Amino acid sequence: DAGITQSPRHKVTETGTPVTLRCHQTENHRYMYWYRQDPGHGLRLIHYSYGVKDTDKGEVSDGYSVSRSKTEDFLLTLESATSSQTSVYFCAISESTGGYEQYFGPGTRLTVT
Amino acid sequence: AQSVAQPEDQVNVAEGNPLTVKCTYSVSGNPYLFWYVQYPNRGLQFLLKYITGDNLVKGSYGFEAEFNKSQTSFHLKKPSALVSDSALYFCAVREDTNAGKSTFGDGTTLTVKP
Repeated sequence: DAGITQSPRHKVTETGTPVTLRCHQTENHRYMYWYRQDPGHGLRLIHYSYGVKDTDKGEVSDGYSVSRSKTEDFLLTLESATSSQTSVYFCAISESTGGYEQYFGPGTRLTVT
Repeated sequence: AQSVAQPEDQVNVAEGNPLTVKCTYSVSGNPYLFWYVQYPNRGLQFLLKYITGDNLVKGSYGFEAEFNKSQTSFHLKKPSALVSDSALYFCAVREDTNAGKSTFGDGTTLTVKP
């Protein structure tokens, strides 16, 4: 398995609180991604990074911010969590050669009450 | 804009029978196509990809997929299904000039019955 870890794996938080999810890789891959997975919607891209301090928005970026200060770490922050952000969040990585196929972390289940 | 459609929410097959999971796509440029699998309560795993070349690509666990440019399809196939193939399958596409943004389909649940 690709060396990708996510923390925490499970979190319950209250509406209005900030939440930060961490993705850590040991593969030295250039690209990192954050997705959310919801029933009936498949995987939707939130933000991605193509290098240290280089990020771009995905299709569902509202209410989320990201930071990447080191190659190995990609942080996703929910600035003020809402119940609609209850979801399973997956981090993925890909190399910048070939097809850019993605390798996924184990996921974080976030519940906003 | 790019998009992916997986027209079947669910596919049921008997063990030992061939299986097909359908995917159609839309991109402006040349497509890079992928299949991923998600086993229950697990993350996603890369199965196979098409970039260029032979229209039939082979991947992990005996799966293969056929790229059809005229029909804009990339169907996943396996000659003989196993109960252990039961999982959620995602098709994804990106344009060759857009490295960061893959679009995923909504997924197809494959159930293989003994």
